[in-house]
Amino acid sequence: ETGVTQSPTHLIKTRGQQVTLRCSSQSGHNTVSWYQQALGQGPQFIFQYYREEENGRGNFPPRFSGLQFPNYSSELNVNALELDDSALYLCASSLGLRGYNEQFFGPGTRLTVL
Amino acid sequence: KNEVEQSPQNLTAQEGEFITINCSYSVGISALHWLQQHPGGGIVSLFMLSSGKKKHGRLIATINIQEKHSSLHITASHPRDSAVYICAVRGAQGGSEKLVFGKGTKLTVNP
Repeated sequence: ETGVTQSPTHLIKTRGQQVTLRCSSQSGHNTVSWYQQALGQGPQFIFQYYREEENGRGNFPPRFSGLQFPNYSSELNVNALELDDSALYLCASSLGLRGYNEQFFGPGTRLTVL
Repeated sequence: KNEVEQSPQNLTAQEGEFITINCSYSVGISALHWLQQHPGGGIVSLFMLSSGKKKHGRLIATINIQEKHSSLHITASHPRDSAVYICAVRGAQGGSEKLVFGKGTKLTVNP
């Protein structure tokens, strides 16, 4: 059973560029959640995908968008990057939407916007 | 006021000390998580609980639903326990796995 993986590990972009981050969920998991963690802060919920459909979104602008593929892997896309988008981006996978299902986190992608 | 508050923000201990980290939340929840984050960034889930108490090795987590409070205890602390410990809650509303996180408690255990 493979765990949650994310790519790339680190990324440096400049303001105005676009970025795509990738997440492979744990085997058998059909739900992926994305979080943004600024330095010194707790993670903030961006959105969640369940069976290829967005299922809940946090307080992030539309330039943050996502996809989930039939194999349940997921992408996070950020357009028109801003300096404040510099953060650690975490994805977590789980099975289903029940409250008692545990989320398993990936190692994160550290994005730096210059 | 944040929905999830942790205390203390920073904690320094000597090896062998008993450590307690507290978490208070203001919303109804279906589950509370204690997570560990090392400097590299990856997050490891330590406990998920909705009532009572759980123990794993030197770690103990308790939750009091009525008081909306949870504690994470580390017995016989060791330098390898140095990390950021994060409390996160999942709302009582069904249909979403959204977690709301505290800001974390940075623990440093000195030898």
